[in-house]
Amino acid sequence: ETGVTQTPRHLVMGMTNKKSLKCEQHLGHNAMYWYKQSAKKPLELMFVYSLEERVENNSVPSRFSPECPNSSHLFLHLHTLQPEDSALYLCASSQVEAGVGNTIYFGEGSWLTVV
Amino acid sequence: AQKITQTQPGMFVQEKEAVTLDCTYDTSDPSYGLFWYKQPSSGEMIFLIYQGSYDQQNATEGRYSLNFQKARKSANLVISASQLGDSAMYFCAMREGGFSTGGFKTIFGAGTRLFVKA
Repeated sequence: ETGVTQTPRHLVMGMTNKKSLKCEQHLGHNAMYWYKQSAKKPLELMFVYSLEERVENNSVPSRFSPECPNSSHLFLHLHTLQPEDSALYLCASSQVEAGVGNTIYFGEGSWLTVV
Repeated sequence: AQKITQTQPGMFVQEKEAVTLDCTYDTSDPSYGLFWYKQPSSGEMIFLIYQGSYDQQNATEGRYSLNFQKARKSANLVISASQLGDSAMYFCAMREGGFSTGGFKTIFGAGTRLFVKA
């Protein structure tokens, strides 16, 4: 069983659809992240949850709505997306403590195509 | 201002040879961490190696080593004895400060695509 699991791995949705991406971590971490990876752009941090509270929201459009019901699960709810939202969405987790050495561990990603 | 720079969009290496992937960074924070990740075509980001700004020794993990030159602000990844399975995108990343200071952000470079030739 991998440390961070994302479902679905591939998603095709219309601009009027509502769907959700799911992430589950089995590493005992207490911080979880959503990153977006588009072609020809660096990895972009979208949201951070620490101890189940959102601590980072990097000017992400409201059509993306995160949810963190507990420290092991993270969702990204999607509605009325645009074609430019097509990308690889990566979930990650890490352990909250002081210091810079805490490594972020990623899932396999969810490939999203908006048509 | 860009804080992580990877100047090599693509690199070729012959199987069994060593290769160096370049990374330079910019920060005024004395405490920071540097990371390298590998991303195969499947999409998963795989953690390879970590170097702390106060670490005296260069980090090593198996065939991976990090050539840390603090004064030059460079953190190059060296892969020894390249294998065909090393073909992937490689990302350099940096975290400034700690979680206690709100340092949740890990920023990534644009990546270098490595091709290993048989």
